[in-house]
Amino acid sequence: TQLLEQSPQFLSIQEGENLTVYCNSSSVFSSLQWYRQEPGEGPVLLVTVVTGGEVKKLKRLTFQFGDARKDSSLHITAAQPGDTGLYLCVGERAYKYIFGTGTRLKVLA
Amino acid sequence: KAGVTQTPRYLIKTRGQQVTLSCSPISGHRSVSWYQQTPGQGLQFLFEYFSETQRNKGNFPGRFSGRQFSNSRSEMNVSTLELGDSALYLCASSLKVPLQKGDTEAFFGQGTRLTVV
Repeated sequence: TQLLEQSPQFLSIQEGENLTVYCNSSSVFSSLQWYRQEPGEGPVLLVTVVTGGEVKKLKRLTFQFGDARKDSSLHITAAQPGDTGLYLCVGERAYKYIFGTGTRLKVLA
Repeated sequence: KAGVTQTPRYLIKTRGQQVTLSCSPISGHRSVSWYQQTPGQGLQFLFEYFSETQRNKGNFPGRFSGRQFSNSRSEMNVSTLELGDSALYLCASSLKVPLQKGDTEAFFGQGTRLTVV
């Protein structure tokens, strides 16, 4: 059973555009991580959010944890080709990781 | 500090053979989890080891097994390989005994790309 739904599944945009990826669940998580994965490589941790309502910024990336700790969003401002990759949200609860379905982003130059 | 190291990076095996993959976690991390990633199924959890004991297991057949050594290094074994076992196998390490909230991030290795022909 997939407990973490990501949307959209696929996204192809032009360089300079903004985008938002959503990660939704009906379950509460202790923490939530966002990863980016490039083809043939392992996922690389971008950020961890642990407090409801928390907002973290990583250069052009803004991450938010929902107030109820059931959902999260990733907003990218002025996307660049280097942002291309698979974005995964991972919820952690009782030391178990629940993986999101993934969002495959392609940024065209 | 060194990251998670997986060996080998690439592997080609024939149907019916067996394979052993290795994962060295980040120093000080006691938990190692294994995942199978395929284009169609995404990331699927295989099992998790903590202090040499398997604590969690996913829904994979008994052909998939693993173990963890006293130095936290882990190995995963797949016997009687099938074509459908072709995938990127990822391992992740984490502290698992968090000193504070948020110390539970999983750090992934680069993976082992297994191709079964």
